[in-house]
Amino acid sequence: QSALTQPASVSGSPGQSITISCTGTSSDVGAYNYVSWYQQHPGKAPKLMIYDVTNRPSGVSNRFSGSKSGNTASLTISGLQAEDEADYYCYSYTRSSTWVFGGGTKLTVL
Amino acid sequence: QVQLVESGGGVVQPGGSLRLSCAASGFSFSSYGMHWVRQAPGKGLEWVAFIRSDGSSKYYADSVKGRFTISRDNSKNTLYLQMNSLRPEDTAVYYCSKRGDSGSYSIDYWGQGTLVTVSS
Repeated sequence: QSALTQPASVSGSPGQSITISCTGTSSDVGAYNYVSWYQQHPGKAPKLMIYDVTNRPSGVSNRFSGSKSGNTASLTISGLQAEDEADYYCYSYTRSSTWVFGGGTKLTVL
Repeated sequence: QVQLVESGGGVVQPGGSLRLSCAASGFSFSSYGMHWVRQAPGKGLEWVAFIRSDGSSKYYADSVKGRFTISRDNSKNTLYLQMNSLRPEDTAVYYCSKRGDSGSYSIDYWGQGTLVTVSS
């Protein structure tokens, strides 16, 4: 049950687009289309942003999108806004019937 | 609206036990699988355990297997986490969370968390 690999930090200017990667293995990310992404502001509970690789829950901005290729999933945020500054975590179901998070990525909006 | 309210956190000595509870409301609790997720101070999220809607199956992270037990009482709309043989590395905020709709493998709602501190 090793954590999925995410970059520790990414940054971008308002209006720009950024992408956060999430690399796993053929036993988790690559096994199913069950990757989700969470946004967490300091001191707050996480919030679901993307589920099942590409789906956005009701109420989440269409500036957030997800994709997957092989063992790597990605979250893209377009038109960066100051309020997007937060920690982001990927999350995947595994072949062992367990779940695993990524290590988290701190997004800084410059 | 969905509400998940955790309780039972506190300070416990290494080797001790603690039971967390999560009161659920605003949805049909008995129809959804539930998770516990934790976050050590200043660290990332770690999945801890999952229980199916009817309690028939339970799954655990290797780090807690054999020490923690997840359970539920659907008549009380309450989720539990019994934590035994606690270690300093179990210190974290523990979140109760709901499995997503339509059998989704995501988590769509989270509680605000309860802090567990394991220290002598």
